[in-house]
Amino acid sequence: DQQVKQNSPSLSVQEGRISILNCDYTNSMFDYFLWYKKYPAEGPTFLISISSIKDKNEDGRFTVFLNKSAKHLSLHIVPSQPGDSAVYFCAASWSFGNEKLTFGTGTRLTIIP
Amino acid sequence: GAVVSQHPSRVICKSGTSVKIECRSLDFQATTMFWYRQFPKQSLMLMATSNEGSKATYEQGVEKDKFLINHASLTLSTLTVTSAHPEDSSFYICSARRSGGQPGTQYFGPGTRLTVL
Repeated sequence: DQQVKQNSPSLSVQEGRISILNCDYTNSMFDYFLWYKKYPAEGPTFLISISSIKDKNEDGRFTVFLNKSAKHLSLHIVPSQPGDSAVYFCAASWSFGNEKLTFGTGTRLTIIP
Repeated sequence: GAVVSQHPSRVICKSGTSVKIECRSLDFQATTMFWYRQFPKQSLMLMATSNEGSKATYEQGVEKDKFLINHASLTLSTLTVTSAHPEDSSFYICSARRSGGQPGTQYFGPGTRLTVL
């Protein structure tokens, strides 16, 4: 049972434009969400997170939006740069202090120069 | 920063042998470390949670006698794949929870590619 889903396995975006990566979850107990970026044969790198008490969190070019009623979150990258090309995973956990992360299947983002 | 290292980065072994993978937090203390495995084109699957000074907590379906975890210090956790078989071939990744850091945020090592012949 895939509790965190990323329905787009791949996405191509022109350099300078906005990249939007989507993630849906089914477990209403999740209250903390994270985005990780991963290059091949490397471990994931933490990008940005959001707790369920917020609907938006921004850090430089990265913004995460959370729609609790729809159980949906998205990561916006603007402007997109070639170095952003990687696989992006969303992850979720429940209750502050519960350490376990449930990961989505990932979206491969390719930025076209 | 929050740097986590893993050693070795790649290992090839014969079926039936045991392989030890080390995970170290280099610039912070980690009371909790996690071990994941990732099959090609799939998500990261949590195998176990490793707590310093206590027994690891294994996820359902993960054999604790096959995947031995030791968290001997605040900066080191080891995963030993015992009597490895070809189906154990995978990408193993550890992560560490920074003590006093933001809840829920884990920092990942670079991963270890295990190939069992």
